[in-house]
Amino acid sequence: GAGVSQSPSNKVTEKGKDVELRCDPISGHTALYWYRQSLGQGLEFLIYFQGNSAPDKSGLPSDRFSAERTGGSVSTLTIQRTQQEDSAVYLCASSARTSGQAPYEQYFGPGTRLTVT
Amino acid sequence: RKEVEQDPGPFNVPEGATVAFNCTYSNSASQSFFWYRQDCRKEPKLLMSVYSSGNEDGRFTAQLNRASQYISLLIRDSKLSDSATYLCAVRSGGFKTIFGAGTRLFVKA
Repeated sequence: GAGVSQSPSNKVTEKGKDVELRCDPISGHTALYWYRQSLGQGLEFLIYFQGNSAPDKSGLPSDRFSAERTGGSVSTLTIQRTQQEDSAVYLCASSARTSGQAPYEQYFGPGTRLTVT
Repeated sequence: RKEVEQDPGPFNVPEGATVAFNCTYSNSASQSFFWYRQDCRKEPKLLMSVYSSGNEDGRFTAQLNRASQYISLLIRDSKLSDSATYLCAVRSGGFKTIFGAGTRLFVKA
C-alpha cells in the first residue's frame, strides 16, 4: 500500500520567508510525527499528533514553528521567518493504533530537504 | 546527558563478521524500544522492535537490559548491504519517541 508521502521533496527559501511542509500519513494511521535531521545528526523530535488528543509540541524549537493536522490525516508544518539554522531535512512519520498493529512502530516519509539562503 | 546515546562509530567490519551495537537510555520509565536503519540520504526504516525477552529476525538479534538501561543489536554474518547507520529509538510515554544519533556501520569485502 501507499506509504507516507511528503511534499515538496526539496525547498529553497530566502531567510525571513515562511514555508509550509506537507505530510500525508499512511491511511488509517492515527499517530503522526514530525522530526528534523540536520546534516550528519540524529533525528530531533518536533511534535506528534495522536487521534483527537492535544498534540505534544514539546520538541518545537521556537514559536516560529507550528503544525496542524486536519481531519486526522494530512499535516502541515509551518516555519515562519525562516533562519539559516532551520536548514535541515524535515521527516514525517506515522504509526497505527488499531487492533493487531504495533502502535508505536513508525514509518517514515522521504523527507523535505529545506535550505534557507 | 542525552536521553538516548549511541556510539557514533564508525564500525568497520569485514563481510561475515559479527558486530554489536549498544544504545543507552536515561529514563528508567521508558516503555518501548526500537532499532531503525538509515541509508545515506534516505529516511529511517524500522528494523525491529525490541521486546523484553529479546527477539531475533534472521541475522539480527535485539536485546533489552532494563537494569542497566540499554538495548543492543547484534548482526551476524554481516553483508555488504548491511552498511548503513543504525538508530535506536526509545518511547518513554505517550507517543513521544527519542532517537539516538546513530551508529555508522561499514561492511567491507
